[in-house]
Amino acid sequence: QVQLQESGPGLVKPSQTLSLTCTVSGGSISSGGYYWSWIRQHPGKGLEWIGYIYYSGSTYYNPSLKSRVTISVDTSKNQFSLKLSSVTAADTAVYYCARENVGRLPYYFDYWGQGTLVTVSS
Amino acid sequence: SSELTQDPAVSVALGQTVRITCQGDSLRSYYASWYQQKPGQAPVLVIYGKNNRPSGIPDRFSGSSSGNTASLTITGAQAEDEADYYCNSRDSSGNQFGGGTKLTVL
Repeated sequence: QVQLQESGPGLVKPSQTLSLTCTVSGGSISSGGYYWSWIRQHPGKGLEWIGYIYYSGSTYYNPSLKSRVTISVDTSKNQFSLKLSSVTAADTAVYYCARENVGRLPYYFDYWGQGTLVTVSS
Repeated sequence: SSELTQDPAVSVALGQTVRITCQGDSLRSYYASWYQQKPGQAPVLVIYGKNNRPSGIPDRFSGSSSGNTASLTITGAQAEDEADYYCNSRDSSGNQFGGGTKLTVL
C-alpha cells in the first residue's frame, strides 16, 4: 500500500519561501508511470493543482504559480519537495502531495497524503 | 486555460439517485476523474476514466461522459455519501479541478 506523508513548517512569514517535503513509502518514486504532484486547498475552498514532477526530474507547473514554484525529487530518499517563493497570506492553505497514475490513459490521482496546513503570517 | 464548472451544491433524499455534473472544454479530449472529500480529510478517488471504480468504492458510484460534460451518479445515496465532490481532468495548461459540489443527503 503506497503512502504519502507531507512534512514542513506550519507557519511561514510573508515574503519568505514555503518548503514542504513528501515522503513516499510502500512504493518507489523511481517507478515509471507516475507523476508526483502538489495540490493545495485554501480554507473552505476547492482544490488547486500546483504542479508535478516525474522521477527523471521533468516538471510541469500551474501557469498561475509557475514563476514562484519549484518542485524537485530525491530518488535516494524516495521524496519530492515543493518550494513556493515570495508567499503572501493568499498562499495559506492545506497542501497535499499526491500520486498521479499516468501509465496509460485515463490519468487519475490514486494516492494522497493527509495534507498539511501552512499558514502565512508574521 | 479552460475551466471545469460544477454546481456548488446538490441535495438528494436518502436512497434516491443523484447526478453531479462537470462541464469543460477539456472534457472533449480527456476523461474526468472524480474525488470525494469529507471534512478534515484528504480527497479520495471514486471514479476515473469512462466508468472505473477503484477497489473499495461501492458500486452505487458510476461515471459517464458526453461531449463537454462528465457526470458522477450515485444510485441509492447513503448518509455517508454526504461530502464534497471534485472533478479533475488534464488540459492544455496541465491539470485542473472543478470548483466542487457539496452533496447533502436529506
